[in-house]
Amino acid sequence: EDKVVQSPLSLVVHEGDTVTLNCSYEVTNFRSLLWYKQEKKAPTFLFMLTSSGIEKKSGRLSSILDKKELFSILNITATQTGDSAVYLCAVRNKAAGNKLTFGGGTRVLVKP
Amino acid sequence: DAGVIQSPRHEVTEMGQEVTLRCKPISGHNSLFWYRQTMMRGLELLIYFNNNVPIDDSGMPEDRFSAKMPNASFSTLKIQPSEPRDSAVYFCASIGTGSLNTEAFFGQGTRLTVV
Repeated sequence: EDKVVQSPLSLVVHEGDTVTLNCSYEVTNFRSLLWYKQEKKAPTFLFMLTSSGIEKKSGRLSSILDKKELFSILNITATQTGDSAVYLCAVRNKAAGNKLTFGGGTRVLVKP
Repeated sequence: DAGVIQSPRHEVTEMGQEVTLRCKPISGHNSLFWYRQTMMRGLELLIYFNNNVPIDDSGMPEDRFSAKMPNASFSTLKIQPSEPRDSAVYFCASIGTGSLNTEAFFGQGTRLTVV
């Protein structure tokens, strides 16, 4: 069974801090790893990673994948209060009909 | 495209009543997922379809839950009879497969409250 574990469960930081979120996974036939941000409504897409070692970047957010060690990290630099959200990691299984399994999420609170 | 469309946005029902949640995926996407989200259990995969065919329904909690996808543009998730512990937000998501290796796009969810 595919499995995604995220850490930490939650963290509180102050504006301007840098945060690093972790995602480890087990999947029988890896296709991609995805990061989402969820505020009060539906998850919104951040990154899709398919290759090891290639950093994806969007503004203050960046992410990288290690397919050998089966993990990914999401970094947020110079955090702002608007970054407060739950960050979700998911893996897509190519063999299981593209099954998409999510981790439990990391809740980030950025204080002014 | 208007994105993934779910209805209703909110549903309040009494225990024992039948509840039907609806989803219209993005046109051209051929995989559709139903998730349930609660504070305690996070985002749980209930069932997913490829090309309208159910692939894995092992996440469906009980026989009270059923899902159908009669065509490429419509799916339903039914709970009969509903119970208070079914209260949650139910999300539908669609994804492009094959040459369309897209991310999953989520609907806005249906917040279900069973009293």
